Amino acid sequence: AQTVTQSQPEMSVQEAETVTLSCTYDTSESDYYLFWYKQPPSRQMILVIRQEAYKQQNATENRFSVNFQKAAKSFSLKISDSQLGDAAMYFCAYRSVSSNTGKLIFGQGTTLQVKP
Amino acid sequence: DGGITQSPKYLFRKEGQNVTLSCEQNLNHDAMYWYRQDPGQGLRLIYYSQIVNDFQKGDIAEGYSVSREKKESFPLTVTSAQKNPTAFYLCASSISAVPTHEQFFGPGTRLTVL
Repeated sequence: AQTVTQSQPEMSVQEAETVTLSCTYDTSESDYYLFWYKQPPSRQMILVIRQEAYKQQNATENRFSVNFQKAAKSFSLKISDSQLGDAAMYFCAYRSVSSNTGKLIFGQGTTLQVKP
Repeated sequence: DGGITQSPKYLFRKEGQNVTLSCEQNLNHDAMYWYRQDPGQGLRLIYYSQIVNDFQKGDIAEGYSVSREKKESFPLTVTSAQKNPTAFYLCASSISAVPTHEQFFGPGTRLTVL
């Protein structure tokens, strides 16, 4: 079974600085998708970024980028030029390509505090 | 506006009572999901449905039931058999269960058992 681990329950960053959130996962599959979701205080889950395992190039979305290390099974999220609106809980998630359920497997989450 | 609605936002239940959480989507999505969120544990899949009139158990289905009689609706019933039902419940949908299709989430329902 696949598992996702986020070992940082809480992180903080100064506004305009850069922060990296860590995520590791365990799987025997070679093809899958990885995601970072943001859950602000409103608790609405928002997709931040997505990475296909077969792509070597790291995904980027504006100020958000990932460092995908397939051999190490690591998938970290880098937030550049942090803004107050980035304060939220961030979840790393895994989705199998071979499974027909479409389910997401989530990590425990990292709460990010942004200091003005 | 297209999206997913969940109601109510907050729900209180006495022990021994069944309660139903509503999830409606007007995105014309085939696949729908129910997740449970507990502090420090992330989200876990309760039930999912890939198409109307069909649904499957997820990882923590015990004490829960669902129905999928209409494409746009996927209600979750928390039964008295669920030993620890106090949690935040999130409904999601996607065009299909194909992994490339993004899952969109509703705003959630906070259930508290008194």
